[in-house]
Amino acid sequence: GAGVSQSPSNKVTEKGKDVELRCDPISGHTALYWYRQSLGQGLEFLIYFQGNSAPDKSGLPSDRFSAERTGGSVSTLTIQRTQQEDSAVYLCASSLRGVTEAFFGQGTRLTVV
Amino acid sequence: AQSVTQLGSHVSVSEGALVLLRCNYSSSVPPYLFWYVQYPNQGLQLLLKYTSAATLVKGINGFEAEFKKSETSFHLTKPSAHMSDAAEYFCAVSRWSGGSNYKLTFGKGTLLTVNP
Repeated sequence: GAGVSQSPSNKVTEKGKDVELRCDPISGHTALYWYRQSLGQGLEFLIYFQGNSAPDKSGLPSDRFSAERTGGSVSTLTIQRTQQEDSAVYLCASSLRGVTEAFFGQGTRLTVV
Repeated sequence: AQSVTQLGSHVSVSEGALVLLRCNYSSSVPPYLFWYVQYPNQGLQLLLKYTSAATLVKGINGFEAEFKKSETSFHLTKPSAHMSDAAEYFCAVSRWSGGSNYKLTFGKGTLLTVNP
């Protein structure tokens, strides 16, 4: 695609429910990142995929968070048993191997009520 | 360990004044460095990047940044602020993370306010 696409753009969910956020990176980009942006908190790194290497999961805040990347392309971030503190904008970015600049999607705004 | 430090979470300038947003990185080898901008309710977009060519890098909207290895800095400047420059600015560094892989790490961001 022309850019990084994220869906849904907005998601409201009840506390305790599971949610899935999708990211479709730029075609050919081998590196994919997930970040979380809360009000006044900057960009919080969550997870990084690079080609066939094992993902860097060091930023995932708890075991309720997981992500996968199928076929080196589309990625899904899953949050189980959502809590109110999970409310944030979740941003996905992709880049060519990671050494070049990353291109961001518009984000998914998650609200847990 | 923090790879990127942005000094000042909030900077306020008058319209027409110099904009200076500070970024320092920690790296034993010259990294790749970036500045991104996020306008209200929008995604992040690239302002400029340093990839070991010229140390003074020019970006969009009149912004530029200078890579200073001796100071491990990559400060962002603009001679004359416009109201439309009000946004959050993020410095980022791409560092080798093993094999042929690099990983992008962001600073915490600096919110720029431009006063009329």
